[in-house]
Amino acid sequence: SQQGEEDPQALSIQEGENATMNCSYKTSINNLQWYRQNSGRGLVHLILIRSNEREKHSGRLRVTLDTSKKSSSLLITASRAADTASYFCATAQRERQLTFGSGTQLTVLP
Amino acid sequence: DAGVIQSPRHEVTEMGQEVTLRCKPISGHNSLFWYRQTMMRGLELLIYFNNNVPIDDSGMPEDRFSAKMPNASFSTLKIQPSEPRDSAVYFCASSWGEVGYTFGSGTRLTVV
Repeated sequence: SQQGEEDPQALSIQEGENATMNCSYKTSINNLQWYRQNSGRGLVHLILIRSNEREKHSGRLRVTLDTSKKSSSLLITASRAADTASYFCATAQRERQLTFGSGTQLTVLP
Repeated sequence: DAGVIQSPRHEVTEMGQEVTLRCKPISGHNSLFWYRQTMMRGLELLIYFNNNVPIDDSGMPEDRFSAKMPNASFSTLKIQPSEPRDSAVYFCASSWGEVGYTFGSGTRLTVV
């Protein structure tokens, strides 16, 4: 079963707008990661946030983590058409392997 | 580094045939993962290796599936015999330490 669930399942915005995706999970974690997948391609790692961190930035990406609510959010600022992709959160428990959520399909309209 | 290399990119086979998927992880990465992606079930972890040793194969759906990692630079996932419900995209990923995974481009398997 999937540990993480993304919300919304699909999101459509205009270029230049911000995109926010949310992820909820069920059990305690060591870290939470976000990945992007372009159509027909493999997943690309975007950012990792550890369980003792609350916020992390990488370029136009901002990730927050609330372990008390077992939730995370990914904010993409000033979106571009090239950001169109599926975005997945993934959680790592004690073991090394990641459990992926169902993903959010983001469409950025030019 | 060329990244994680998977072959073939596409495979179409008839039901009952043996299928072998191949993966070359990034040099120096000590963990390797096989995932399967379908519309219905999303990304599912099939098996993962650490230092060439299988650690968790609880995601392997049936005995028809087997995976090996004979050395640090090569892994195979075999399905024998294949069935139409095995049709999916199979991804290999590798990592080292507490960092993100690097995924291959995947093998799209179609069993007819």
